[in-house]
Amino acid sequence: AIQMTQSPSSLSASVGDRVTITCRTSQGIRNDLSWYQQKPGKAPKVLIYGATTLQTGVSSRFSGSGTGTDFTLTISSLQPEDSATYYCLQDNTYPWTFGQGTKVEI
Amino acid sequence: DVQLVESGGALVQPGGSLRLSCVASGFIFSDIWMGWVRQTPGKGLEWVAHISPAGTKKYYVDSVEGRFTISRDNAKNSVSLQMNSLRVEDTAVYYCARLIVPDGTHNWFDPWGRGTLVTVSS
Repeated sequence: AIQMTQSPSSLSASVGDRVTITCRTSQGIRNDLSWYQQKPGKAPKVLIYGATTLQTGVSSRFSGSGTGTDFTLTISSLQPEDSATYYCLQDNTYPWTFGQGTKVEI
Repeated sequence: DVQLVESGGALVQPGGSLRLSCVASGFIFSDIWMGWVRQTPGKGLEWVAHISPAGTKKYYVDSVEGRFTISRDNAKNSVSLQMNSLRVEDTAVYYCARLIVPDGTHNWFDPWGRGTLVTVSS
């Protein structure tokens, strides 16, 4: 199975900060990666798919980059409502695998 | 609005069986791949299975292969997960999710249901 290494596992930042979360895969997955946001007690919500495409309705503060084995989710200007846990998911090879999650605190 | 509502979660003993269901609304169900993702308490997410629109293609994570069966009833807009030989490590919140496969390349889950809790314990 493709191993997903997501970092950091948690971070604390201030409103307005630029935040970067990284997802590294154990083998190349082209750009077959999506990012999800999960708030406490809620289901995950997709933010980015195809590594770089912003889901309709998601704030443009969120952006994704990367291809191959290294991917990044960036929040350009952190807002209070961005407090959540973020996960990456690779859909290149079965079994599909998620990163371990990054908890963002403000 | 697209809506997914899961049901069937319960407390079950190791070795037991359980059937989860998910009823969908707000989209043409028979055109869409559907999947299940689980989340263990306090931990991360794990993809479990997904099924093609006609139900002819099914994919599973290795740890449930042979024990879990995903199926769908397009007439009832529902997808199910039959779970047999349950283990303590199957304890999790199980989410039903619509799988978007627009062009056969990128895939993503959107939206997700609210989840149903399965607890496997003696």
